[in-house]
Amino acid sequence: AQRVTQPEKLLSVFKGAPVELKCNYSYSGSPELFWYVQYSRQRLQLLLRHISRESIKGFTADLNKGETSFHLKKPFAQEEDSAMYYCALTSTYNTDKLIFGTGTRLQVFP
Amino acid sequence: SQTIHQWPATLVQPVGSPLSLECTVEGTSNPNLYWYRQAAGRGLQLLFYSVGIGQISSEVPQNLSASRPQDRQFILSSKKLLLSDSGFYLCAWSAPGQQLTEAFFGQGTRLTVV
Repeated sequence: AQRVTQPEKLLSVFKGAPVELKCNYSYSGSPELFWYVQYSRQRLQLLLRHISRESIKGFTADLNKGETSFHLKKPFAQEEDSAMYYCALTSTYNTDKLIFGTGTRLQVFP
Repeated sequence: SQTIHQWPATLVQPVGSPLSLECTVEGTSNPNLYWYRQAAGRGLQLLFYSVGIGQISSEVPQNLSASRPQDRQFILSSKKLLLSDSGFYLCAWSAPGQQLTEAFFGQGTRLTVV
């Protein structure tokens, strides 16, 4: 079965500190992985996807198939990064089904 | 452009009462549609998804059901609400096709069962 695990419910850092939000997945096939973000009073929205290999708002995420991880990283956190972050997975066989993790709340203090 | 509408925004219902939450998408055809529940400590749980009219996949056995009477309409229902049905319900859509690129979410409905 597909499963996404985000071990941290809350991550608090100071502005300028590095950030790493952890995501591990379990899936026997080839997964497609995403990070979604929900800022205060805004809709849940896509932040980035691993197939694009992009950096959005300074965030990057690398798919590590050996460790089945897709951690989200940013070298210098900003206060506006404070939000709820969800890791999500879909499969190449069943692309219609999108599974999310439990989410990590990132708090960036000034 | 595509838009997704979800209503009502908030709802307070007594235990045992029925539920109907509606979601509609505009500006696209044959979207994939999803219902999620966001509960404290449990993250975003996929409840139902649909790839076409009348085609509903249920992910979690529960007190809820979903229907898709029209191409761009997705309804979440219950005949008798339980206290445990309280939560934040999100509807989402994605474009049909071989590879999911992005899901677009509605504003959500805050349901409180009392």
